[in-house]
Amino acid sequence: KAGVTQTPRYLIKTRGQQVTLSCSPISGHRSVSWYQQTPGQGLQFLFEYFSETQRNKGNFPGRFSGRQFSNSRSEMNVSTLELGDSALYLCASSLGGPPDTQYFGPGTRLTVL
Amino acid sequence: AQTVTQSQPEMSVQEAETVTLSCTYDTSESDYYLFWYKQPPSRQMILVIRQEAYKQQNATENRFSVNFQKAAKSFSLKISDSQLGDAAMYFCAYRRVGKGSRLTFGEGTQLTVNP
Repeated sequence: KAGVTQTPRYLIKTRGQQVTLSCSPISGHRSVSWYQQTPGQGLQFLFEYFSETQRNKGNFPGRFSGRQFSNSRSEMNVSTLELGDSALYLCASSLGGPPDTQYFGPGTRLTVL
Repeated sequence: AQTVTQSQPEMSVQEAETVTLSCTYDTSESDYYLFWYKQPPSRQMILVIRQEAYKQQNATENRFSVNFQKAAKSFSLKISDSQLGDAAMYFCAYRRVGKGSRLTFGEGTQLTVNP
């Protein structure tokens, strides 16, 4: 089975711009979660989508949003980029039911200048 | 809120030796899952091992095993016969049972394997 894929792998944006990241889960997985990884804050949960519905959300401002499509692919959008949004964004997919082990993609490295 | 603590920012081990990475967590839940993930320089997060809290038996996966002490809220990872490819950042993670749960990660332990 193919693993979780994320596109693009690298992005460079400037402050104030917006960006969209994409995640394709493992075939058959219905849940997609997003995490932000930075040296200062570590790994932080952004949100989780299951069957096109957001069912859990972390403590991030409204500039961070996401959605999930009927084929379980997910996108994450960040509007009005700030320097502090520079991070590795990881996507993880799971079946959506117990034990619900999450499998991660390779990540998207976002740099905001 | 659940918290996960890894008190060893860095560890090193000689090739072929055994090393143990520590993890403690705090939760009021009785049913949950614990995980160890490995993140090599490629930054790909790789699942190493999973433990269900209701199981008393410690999980093992080849050279990797855990020591799960539920009462003490401790979850350590033992790597036997360490190999150069084991060098990575290791993260301990907690996830409660139920819909809408999330992974809570520790700060990570950077493992160096010396030849």
